[in-house]
Amino acid sequence: GAGVSQSPRYKVAKRGQDVALRCDPISGHVSLFWYQQALGQGPEFLTYFQNEAQLDKSGLPSDRFFAERPEGSVSTLKIQRTQQEDSAVYLCASSLVGDYGYTFGSGTRLTVV
Amino acid sequence: AQRVTQPEKLLSVFKGAPVELKCNYSYSGSPELFWYVQYSRQRLQLLLRHISRESIKGFTADLNKGETSFHLKKPFAQEEDSAMYYCALSSGIYNQGGKLIFGQGTELSVKP
Repeated sequence: GAGVSQSPRYKVAKRGQDVALRCDPISGHVSLFWYQQALGQGPEFLTYFQNEAQLDKSGLPSDRFFAERPEGSVSTLKIQRTQQEDSAVYLCASSLVGDYGYTFGSGTRLTVV
Repeated sequence: AQRVTQPEKLLSVFKGAPVELKCNYSYSGSPELFWYVQYSRQRLQLLLRHISRESIKGFTADLNKGETSFHLKKPFAQEEDSAMYYCALSSGIYNQGGKLIFGQGTELSVKP
């Protein structure tokens, strides 16, 4: 596609519910990143994929967070047993390998009530 | 520790005035520095990177390694420059894909 597509745009989850956030990167972009942006803060790194390999997951805040990219294209970020502190905008970005000029998606705004 | 600091949450100027958005970083090594911008209701997008030494929309930024700063400047602000600006650095480590560390952002408001 022309850009990075994320769905859903908005998600309201009850505390304790599991959620799955989808990212469809630009075709041919090998690198894919997930970031978490809390209100009033800059984006914070969660995890990085190169094709289907998850090379860095050092930013995942707990074992409730899990990401996958099984075929090296679409990626899913899953959050189990959501907590209020998980409320944030989750951003996906993709790029060519070695290119730091990411293309970001519009994000998914997750609200845990 | 790697860190990016943007000391101003909000910067308000009048149209035609000079603008300087401050960014300081902490990194042991040679970082890549970037400025990203987010206009209202739009996605985050790359404004400029220090390595290309380019000027985009009249903005420039010079990397000062002695002061560990990468301030964003524009001589004459325009109303359409109103947006959220984020400074970011990358470790440039290949197997991290160039993950970015962002500052907290500065909201620039240009008044007519």
